[in-house]
Amino acid sequence: QVQMVESGGGVVQPGRSLRLSCVASGITFSNYGIHWVRQAPGKGLEWVAVISYDGNYKFFADSVEGRFTISRDNSKNTVYLQMSRLRAEDTAVYYCAKDMVYCTSGVCLSNWFDPWGQGTLVTVSS
Amino acid sequence: DIQMTQSPSTLSASVGDRVTITCRASRSLNDRLAWYQQKPGEAPNLLISEASNLESGVPSRFSASGFGTEFTLTISSLQPDDFATYYCQQHIGYPLTFGGGTKVEIK
Repeated sequence: QVQMVESGGGVVQPGRSLRLSCVASGITFSNYGIHWVRQAPGKGLEWVAVISYDGNYKFFADSVEGRFTISRDNSKNTVYLQMSRLRAEDTAVYYCAKDMVYCTSGVCLSNWFDPWGQGTLVTVSS
Repeated sequence: DIQMTQSPSTLSASVGDRVTITCRASRSLNDRLAWYQQKPGEAPNLLISEASNLESGVPSRFSASGFGTEFTLTISSLQPDDFATYYCQQHIGYPLTFGGGTKVEIK
């Protein structure tokens, strides 16, 4: 059974940084891209970023480009979302989710995703 | 960026009803559209990919169709477990974008 587990959320002041982690189990982690999607309280879903299976390709939402970075450690089955220069509007539940295509080469991203983790709440407030 | 517009934003229906949700894109997606279901306090769950492909384990009362800029998700006979919020998502290009959601409520 595939499971995604996020951690690292919390309360942080505007302008500060925070790093989220996403650990996957039940899959050959190194063959799948991983996405981050967020949901502000009471709002809809917003895609944030994706990293390819090998870490060579990364794409970001305009709203976080230049402030957030994404990386992965395939030896630890973990993807990281490093968030810098945080703003109040970054307050949200952050989900990680597995891309649906099994990859061995190339960019190789289906860009639809399942399963998702349970999410970790990030609150940016002074 | 591709804008995704869902309608209605809220839908009130009864168990057994047939319900249809529409999703429109600001430019052609071909068939590059997914649908997700989200229940309160839970993470979203993938229902449909590539406009009409039902994911494994999703009940057959769910179906979807469309191509280009207009897509629909249909629940043929609404069940108590189906009261949730539904989102469409384009997967043709970055940044990936979601519709605003359709909340299906009990009438």
